[in-house]
Amino acid sequence: AQSVAQPEDQVNVAEGNPLTVKCTYSVSGNPYLFWYVQYPNRGLQFLLKYITGDNLVKGSYGFEAEFNKSQTSFHLKKPSALVSDSALYFCALIKAAGNKLTFGGGTRVLVKP
Amino acid sequence: DVKVTQSSRYLVKRTGEKVFLECVQDMDHENMFWYRQDPGLGLRLIYFSYDVKMKEKGDIPEGYSVSREKKERFSLILESASTNQTSMYLCASSSHGWSEKLFFGSGTQLSVL
Repeated sequence: AQSVAQPEDQVNVAEGNPLTVKCTYSVSGNPYLFWYVQYPNRGLQFLLKYITGDNLVKGSYGFEAEFNKSQTSFHLKKPSALVSDSALYFCALIKAAGNKLTFGGGTRVLVKP
Repeated sequence: DVKVTQSSRYLVKRTGEKVFLECVQDMDHENMFWYRQDPGLGLRLIYFSYDVKMKEKGDIPEGYSVSREKKERFSLILESASTNQTSMYLCASSSHGWSEKLFFGSGTQLSVL
């Protein structure tokens, strides 16, 4: 079985400060890992993915994520948060050669001016 | 841009009714998915399809069925709606290959009274 955990229901950060959204996973075999963002009343949008190669992955809107195999983590980061980054963020996992994408419970990010 | 269109944004139905949720994508994607989104539970996969007339059960298929008669259209059917099926339903599509990103529709908020 595979699973994704997002340990924080909500993250509050001041505009201009660094933003980190945590994700840990459990899977047998190699993982493909994704981050998606959901703005209010919108569907999910793809931010970035890790398949193989460099552990630091850069994505849309200035976001990046670091794959850490030993800690089974894939935390999402942004050096300087914007108010417009306030949204619901989902981490997702699929096993290499698998066919089911599993999502975490989501983390709400609130960036205050 | 890829567009995934869900036929209704809000839907209110009565217990026992048969409910159809429609989804259409315009990018000739092979894979299509139905998820339900509930607070704290993230997205859970109901059914997916990787080709016309092909379907596979996801993690929570009970009480649902699907139909894919044409490549661009994937329908979710609630045979006899129940109150515990009140949820946000998200349709998604992706090109061939399980490491490809998903494109999501805006969602249908279904209330079963």
